[in-house]
Amino acid sequence: AQKVTQAQTEISVVEKEDVTLDCVYETRDTTYYLFWYKQPPSGELVFLIRRNSFDEQNEISGRYSWNFQKSTSSFNFTITASQVVDSAVYFCALRSGGYQKVTFGIGTKLQVIP
Amino acid sequence: EPEVTQTPSHQVTQMGQEVILRCVPISNHLYFYWYRQILGQKVEFLVSFYNNEISEKSEIFDDQFSVERPDGSNFTLKIRSTKLEDSAMYFCARGRGATYEQYFGPGTRLTVT
Repeated sequence: AQKVTQAQTEISVVEKEDVTLDCVYETRDTTYYLFWYKQPPSGELVFLIRRNSFDEQNEISGRYSWNFQKSTSSFNFTITASQVVDSAVYFCALRSGGYQKVTFGIGTKLQVIP
Repeated sequence: EPEVTQTPSHQVTQMGQEVILRCVPISNHLYFYWYRQILGQKVEFLVSFYNNEISEKSEIFDDQFSVERPDGSNFTLKIRSTKLEDSAMYFCARGRGATYEQYFGPGTRLTVT
């Protein structure tokens, strides 16, 4: 079974603040893949990042960074110097083993206030 | 990377009617998926389709659902007899395989009245 928990349902920050979105996952498989997707108000799902279970190296892409820690089964997402355009629902997701199915968390709604 | 397009963007139908949602890949992809998102809720996997066959399906994907790629291009999701609880956003996605990310289309909003 695979499960993704995003404990923060809604977060509000003021523009230029840093914000971290938490993600905790559960899986029995030793090989798995973690993802983050962004869903802006327009509704589409935008892929942000994929991380393999055997690669714990953290990643930075512009103002976005991801912290993958297998010891705590977490894959947190930090936005530095948030902007209004970052306002969206962010989903953490998991795919285990050889399965095609991607399991999504409930999502965290981020509101960046100007 | 190019994604997929979906038609229609919004479909309104009466309970009990059949609907067909279409997904049009930009290029020749092998892996396709359908997900749904009931308003305000999480995205749920329905089915995966590889090499013109269902490779995996969820418990949601019961007998009222079917998928096919009738002309080798369009990828369709059919709901035979819609229920009120089928109202949701339906996303088509494509991918390169089990180890890769999935890229989603813009979705079709289905409203069952």
